[in-house]
Amino acid sequence: NAGVTQTPKFRILKIGQSMTLQCAQDMNHNYMYWYRQDPGMGLKLIYYSVGAGITDKGEVPNGYNVSRSTTEDFPLRLELAAPSQTSVYFCASSRGVEAYEQYFGPGTRLTVT
Amino acid sequence: GQNIDQPTEMTATEGAIVQINCTYQTSGFNGLFWYQQHAGEAPTFLSYNVLDGLEEKGRFSSFLSRSKGYSYLLLKELQMKDSASYLCAGMDSNYQLIWGAGTKLIIKP
Repeated sequence: NAGVTQTPKFRILKIGQSMTLQCAQDMNHNYMYWYRQDPGMGLKLIYYSVGAGITDKGEVPNGYNVSRSTTEDFPLRLELAAPSQTSVYFCASSRGVEAYEQYFGPGTRLTVT
Repeated sequence: GQNIDQPTEMTATEGAIVQINCTYQTSGFNGLFWYQQHAGEAPTFLSYNVLDGLEEKGRFSSFLSRSKGYSYLLLKELQMKDSASYLCAGMDSNYQLIWGAGTKLIIKP
């Protein structure tokens, strides 16, 4: 099993550009999450999904969009990139919620200049 | 508001024991998680507590007191590979994780 995979690993964007961060999992997990991690701060939830076709906003959704057309894939779209979106982005998945651990992908390090 | 507090950095000696504390305030409570994160890598799960008391898993143990909003992670027989950040996260009433900023643990020989 590959677990949770993310592409790209690194990306530099100019202000105003758009991009999609890819995330896929092969564990047949229903729950998937997108987080951002800034230096000295805790992980912040951007969006999450409880199954194919169902997505919802987390704590910091502004400037981002997601879709979940299949169980496996959960891409994150950045429209009109801003320097405030410079961060490390982690995708995660879990089998359930209450007592279930989240499995994280390796992360995408994004710089917006 | 919701908040997780943990020390920014701790230093310990190889072979020793270290305790990393975490206090939490969440809207509702559905458990407390600890994750390990090596520099430049993804977080990996260490433990989950939802009832009061100590959960032991090899060299690592985690304790929870719901009445005090307090947890700690205890690491025994420290090894150099334990140098990492340790993230405390509380699960709120919406089953979302509220994360602390992490405690960077430095192990010295």
